[in-house]
Amino acid sequence: KQEVTQIPAALSVPEGENLVLNCSFTDSAIYNLQWFRQDPGKGLTSLLLIQSSQREQTSGRLNASLDKSSGRSTLYIAASQPGDSATYLCAVLGGGFKTIFGAGTRLFVKA
Amino acid sequence: DAGVIQSPRHEVTEMGQEVTLRCKPISGHNSLFWYRQTMMRGLELLIYFNNNVPIDDSGMPEDRFSAKMPNASFSTLKIQPSEPRDSAVYFCASSLGQQETQYFGPGTRLLVL
Repeated sequence: KQEVTQIPAALSVPEGENLVLNCSFTDSAIYNLQWFRQDPGKGLTSLLLIQSSQREQTSGRLNASLDKSSGRSTLYIAASQPGDSATYLCAVLGGGFKTIFGAGTRLFVKA
Repeated sequence: DAGVIQSPRHEVTEMGQEVTLRCKPISGHNSLFWYRQTMMRGLELLIYFNNNVPIDDSGMPEDRFSAKMPNASFSTLKIQPSEPRDSAVYFCASSLGQQETQYFGPGTRLLVL
């Protein structure tokens, strides 16, 4: 059974800092991994999707990497801003095309 | 593009009542997903459809829950009878294909008293 873990559960950083969020999964037989952002009381916004054949994806200040063999993905946020404060979730699409979410990392960027 | 549309946005009902949640996926998307989010269990996939056909409903908690997709532009999630433990935020998402980016709706916040 696929399990997805995100570390840390919460993170507080000063504005301008570069940071890394971690996501690990137990079954490496995945189709893709997706990173989402969720603001309080809102829905999820897709940030990046990495197909299983890819190693990384970039969008603006965000870079996501995928290492299937070790069951890990990282989301790198450069030059963090207060507007980046949100919960970041990773989701793995695995066997049976079933999506499993991690519990998320709650990020707070201090001005 | 209007994005994924869900209604109602908020629902308060009493235990035992029937609840129907509605979703309109993004036009042209052929995969649709229903999720439930709670503080205790996080985001859980309840059921997903591909080309209007239910593919995996193993996440549906029990027989009180049912979902339908009568056509490509509409889906419902029904709870009958509702119970207080069903209180959660229910999200609908859609994608172009099963392996493509999922786009989420704003969610329906359900409170069962």
